[in-house]
Amino acid sequence: QKEVEQDPGPLSVPEGAIVSLNCTYSNSAFQYFMWYRQYSRKGPELLMYTYSSGNKEDGRFTAQVDKSSKYISLFIRDSQPSDSATYLCAMSADAGNNRKLIWGLGTSLAVNP
Amino acid sequence: DVKVTQSSRYLVKRTGEKVFLECVQDMDHENMFWYRQDPGLGLRLIYFSYDVKMKEKGDIPEGYSVSREKKERFSLILESASTNQTSMYLCASRGQNQETQYFGPGTRLLVL
Repeated sequence: QKEVEQDPGPLSVPEGAIVSLNCTYSNSAFQYFMWYRQYSRKGPELLMYTYSSGNKEDGRFTAQVDKSSKYISLFIRDSQPSDSATYLCAMSADAGNNRKLIWGLGTSLAVNP
Repeated sequence: DVKVTQSSRYLVKRTGEKVFLECVQDMDHENMFWYRQDPGLGLRLIYFSYDVKMKEKGDIPEGYSVSREKKERFSLILESASTNQTSMYLCASRGQNQETQYFGPGTRLLVL
């Protein structure tokens, strides 16, 4: 079993829809959770960062962490065609300088006008 | 704004050639990383470096080596390229005690 599971999709939604992207994980030591967005033929860029449990909101984006269920989510409200990208979750257990991020495979999202 | 640049966007090499991929960051970050990204396999860490001349193996170091002679530059070397090293190579950097990794645009390498 992989440490981080993420459905690769593809997910196709109409413009304006609410999008829900999810990752599950098996390591209960993970405390730092990130969502990266990767446009085609570009490197990933950080979208949201959350420490431990709870919600974080930034504009149309909301990140949720449920440590009891080992489940994280990214919600996109009022989705736009410019949101079409691959979304990768990433997480780590500690804040030491040699820590590694554990990555999901990424979910491909297409928002159709 | 952090900038991570990679020496080439596209590269075509022959089997057995020695390949150098260069990465430069301009934010004085201590930590630098090399990943490869393949469909269905996601991002896999090849090597990382937490200081000049320091390196640690990632998950898939076989067939690769790295060099970090200056803080801003991290090179990935394919000693003898093979077709199974055809991939997208991504470099990233991260500041001390920061969580965010900043990625370069990637190098798409084709080994024939």
